[in-house]
Amino acid sequence: EAQVTQNPRYLITVTGKKLTVTCSQNMNHEYMSWYRQDPGLGLRQIYYSMNVEVTDKGDVPEGYKVSRKEKRNFPLILESPSPNQTSLYFCASSSPTGSYGYTFGSGTRLTVV
Amino acid sequence: QKEVEQNSGPLSVPEGAIASLNCTYSDRGSQSFFWYRQYSGKSPELIMFIYSNGDKEDGRFTAQLNKASQYVSLLIRDSQPSDSATYLCAGVLSGAGSYQLTFGKGTKLSVIP
Repeated sequence: EAQVTQNPRYLITVTGKKLTVTCSQNMNHEYMSWYRQDPGLGLRQIYYSMNVEVTDKGDVPEGYKVSRKEKRNFPLILESPSPNQTSLYFCASSSPTGSYGYTFGSGTRLTVV
Repeated sequence: QKEVEQNSGPLSVPEGAIASLNCTYSDRGSQSFFWYRQYSGKSPELIMFIYSNGDKEDGRFTAQLNKASQYVSLLIRDSQPSDSATYLCAGVLSGAGSYQLTFGKGTKLSVIP
């Protein structure tokens, strides 16, 4: 089944403790992206990647890191999480032409206390 | 800044009625548009995409694009309570890479039994 897999689905952590949210897709998509979603603010893009070793900042990159060492994986790293990073996070990938929109992962609900 | 705008709602319609969701965009050069449905706490799910002026129908859903007036709409015929969700409009805006989607903040639809 074609899908984007995110892990974990739920995570509660403490301020300052480094964490990684994994994202993997099995559709051979070149494009991958991370979003956070907060009430009233909609989906906001954190980082995106056009291909292996090519990443770029989205609208809200502060406090996040990403890497794209393999085509299928695009992990999101929070080096020192803070409470304002409490949010619902989505990974997405797109077909090579972008013609059919994004496929989203199931989401990660992150709480930083 | 190039934007996609949606009325946040909530939009309430009785079961069996037609729900009309609207979206406007600021960039006249925008190309393709997508409608996503998102249930609370779940990931966005693609339901329609449209590239050309006019209507595109898929089952109970009809997407309409009017590039001259810069609006996109989604009609849901015979609305069902299971259609109650937030609907996100997204577009590939001019100047962006073909992969880059700009999302509206979503319209919450409530179908009343």
